[in-house]
Parts: sequence; structure tokens; C-alpha cells
Amino acid sequence: DAKTTQPPSMDCAEGRAANLPCNHSTISGNEYVYWYRQIHSQGPQYIIHGLKNNETNEMASLIITEDRKSSTLILPHATLRDTAVYYCIVRLGAAGNKLTFGGGTRVLVKP
Amino acid sequence: DTAVSQTPKYLVTQMGNDKSIKCEQNLGHDTMYWYKQDSKKFLKIMFSYNNKELIINETVPNRFSPKSPDKAHLNLHINSLELGDSAVYFCASSHRGAYEQYFGPGTRLTVT
Repeated sequence: DAKTTQPPSMDCAEGRAANLPCNHSTISGNEYVYWYRQIHSQGPQYIIHGLKNNETNEMASLIITEDRKSSTLILPHATLRDTAVYYCIVRLGAAGNKLTFGGGTRVLVKP
Repeated sequence: DTAVSQTPKYLVTQMGNDKSIKCEQNLGHDTMYWYKQDSKKFLKIMFSYNNKELIINETVPNRFSPKSPDKAHLNLHINSLELGDSAVYFCASSHRGAYEQYFGPGTRLTVT
């Protein structure tokens, strides 16, 4: 699985959009980009995933660059409950079941 | 109803003891996992089972023995507990090859 690089921490104002970057310059053509988050003292929670195209669901949007070497997770209107560690993970989509977590980005949403 | 549940939530025990952590999922998934999150907060896969068959074993000491009595359960038994086993253990489940894994609330194991 390709390695990912994320900033260790970032702050965000409540109600504003939070843009979380992730670099994955060694990603291969059949690897997907996944985002999970872990709220304090809870298990990780799936947010979104994508291969090439931008994706949006009820939680967030995922923007993948054309060369696929980086991506951005966007939380459109951050709330205090979005305070968590956000993990960007790259792995094969259809095969290989394990998730390899890095250090993630600790996001603090402030009122 | 809780999708992935683990018992106990907290476990404090002494070195050398043997303990088990239980995991159950009611999502109808065929694949279950154990992850370990150490004091530095890194999450690492330990085991994965698909239809009761072991498919991933990530160089975990053989003191750790997962047991899957059926597709809905994956228990983790640990023999001769050591201080370094102190961590939070997360169970997860998914359909094999699925994009999304569902995690349990975790079991915080403290070995004294």
C-alpha cells in the first residue's frame, strides 16, 4: 500500500469549511484513497473513498488531483463534533482487506 | 442496536495472566478484523478472518490467538500477558473486499 503524508494537526472555526490535505505521491493506478476519522475514545469511522473522480456524500467531499498524487478531504461546515483525528489511507480497492493507518491529522474545531 | 460490539470495554490484569476479548457483529458481514492501537495512537492490523478462515496474520506473537466460532464472532485470546500488550484493541467487520469497515468501540487493556 502506498504511503501517505498528512499534517499532524490543524484548527478550524466552527461553521467554516475544513480542508484536510493528503499526499500520496507513490499511489498506483488501482489504489483507492480512503478517509477515516477517529473521535476521541471511539473506533475509527469511515468517511469517504475515491479512485479518480471527486466524490461527495453526506459527510464530506473528496477532491483528488488529476495526477492522483494528492487529495483533499473537505468538511463543508465543520461542527464541534467533527473534532477528531482524520486518517488518509491508500489501498487496493477490490483486494487486500487491511487498512494501514498512519499518524493522521488531529483536527480541532473551535467555536 | 450496536453494529459491532466488544466486551469488555476495559480490562485490567496482571502480567502472566491469560485473557480474552469478545467481538460480535450483527451486520451480516463475512470478514472480521482485530486492530491494535498502542500508546502512540498508531492503529495496526493484527488479524483478519473471512468466513471463519484466517486470511491475515500480521506477525503477531503466537501468544495472541484469534478464534472465530461463526461469521458473526471473532474473539481474541491472549496468553501470558506482557506489559507491552497494554493498548486499545479494536474489532472491525466488513464484506470481503468492501470499501468500508465498521469498527467496534474498543477494549482498553492494561497490563500491570
